[in-house]
Amino acid sequence: KNEVEQSPQNLTAQEGEFITINCSYSVGISALHWLQQHPGGGIVSLFMLSSGKKKHGRLIATINIQEKHSSLHITASHPRDSAVYICAVHNDMRFGAGTRLTVKP
Amino acid sequence: GAVVSQHPSRVICKSGTSVKIECRSLDFQATTMFWYRQFPKQSLMLMATSNEGSKATYEQGVEKDKFLINHASLTLSTLTVTSAHPEDSSFYICSAGQGSYEKLFFGSGTQLSVL
Repeated sequence: KNEVEQSPQNLTAQEGEFITINCSYSVGISALHWLQQHPGGGIVSLFMLSSGKKKHGRLIATINIQEKHSSLHITASHPRDSAVYICAVHNDMRFGAGTRLTVKP
Repeated sequence: GAVVSQHPSRVICKSGTSVKIECRSLDFQATTMFWYRQFPKQSLMLMATSNEGSKATYEQGVEKDKFLINHASLTLSTLTVTSAHPEDSSFYICSAGQGSYEKLFFGSGTQLSVL
């Protein structure tokens, strides 16, 4: 079993839909990162969380330390949100397998 | 904002040659940089943590003699793939954190193809 599990693996949505991507981990962590990787390979760090909730534009990330679970939400999804979203837990930087999101116009 | 520059973006080399990949933090000092490898349709895998002025910490299964990491300054870390073989073909990415890693900044990656 992977230390970091993401779901779903693939997600297709229509423009405007609310998106949720989940991440569960089994190890102790100091922080959790949500990353976005575009088709060209470039990676952007969206959030780092150690507790609670963070919001940036249409993106919201939450973490429940007790349950070892985090979610990334995208409101009013847009085709430009299409990318692979990766959850990474920080002590030793372990990565989830990623969620490939496709938002159709 | 902070930027991490990685070069080259793509390299094709013959089997047995060595390839050096550079990772620079352009406007901040990075005491720690991370090196990752990513195979097609797979997620990132941490290879090593590079600490300025000291030896890198390698993940289990990563050969330190094959993947030489040098972090000689606070803005530059290099990864050298020595005696590259076709199985080393992969996408290599670096990242650097600022402060307490509130944000991690990633290089644009290097696609290595070993013929």
